[in-house]
Amino acid sequence: DTGVSQNPRHKITKRGQNVTFRCDPISEHNRLYWYRQTLGQGPEFLTYFQNEAQLEKSRLLSDRFSAERPKGSFSTLEIQRTEQGDSAMYLCASSLGHTNTEAFFGQGTRLTVV
Amino acid sequence: AQTVTQSQPEMSVQEAETVTLSCTYDTSESDYYLFWYKQPPSRQMILVIRQEAYKQQNATENRFSVNFQKAAKSFSLKISDSQLGDAAMYFCARANSGYALNFGKGTSLLVTP
Repeated sequence: DTGVSQNPRHKITKRGQNVTFRCDPISEHNRLYWYRQTLGQGPEFLTYFQNEAQLEKSRLLSDRFSAERPKGSFSTLEIQRTEQGDSAMYLCASSLGHTNTEAFFGQGTRLTVV
Repeated sequence: AQTVTQSQPEMSVQEAETVTLSCTYDTSESDYYLFWYKQPPSRQMILVIRQEAYKQQNATENRFSVNFQKAAKSFSLKISDSQLGDAAMYFCARANSGYALNFGKGTSLLVTP
């Protein structure tokens, strides 16, 4: 297991289209997080799973966004009816345990909406 | 909103010298965690150092150390003996018991030979 894997690395889509990103966490990690990072900014929290349960969602996660983590393994983040403002780097991270242990990040999926 | 503020958008340091990156934060929690993450260009974010708020002793990891001032809500990162590979964006982050990280806007560190 070489770390958190995200696919695709880059996605260009037309406005109004739906896109889906995948994150494969480190295999024994029970927590999985999605963040969004725009140019010149720090990552912003979107949502968090513990195993298959989605425990927290940011107000940034509009109804066009949905995330799933079936069976507590990989996760998908879907954006429906994409807008130009959705262009960003989408980061996935995973961690293990019941306290704030280290979160390991993937390399991200860069979304460009044209 | 509980914020993390990094007041230095860019910093520069000569190789082998020491540099300090500043971070202040706001929280109403008594139990929280503080982190410094490094993000090299086009590479993933990696943890540099972590501090539990209940611990008075400042965390140290090799050339990296923090100055944690809980009352002042300050959490600065000191990099000693700077190396070219230290060049990156550095993000300060806070996590409450809810575990989600709240990041600052970052400081871009340039290391010159």
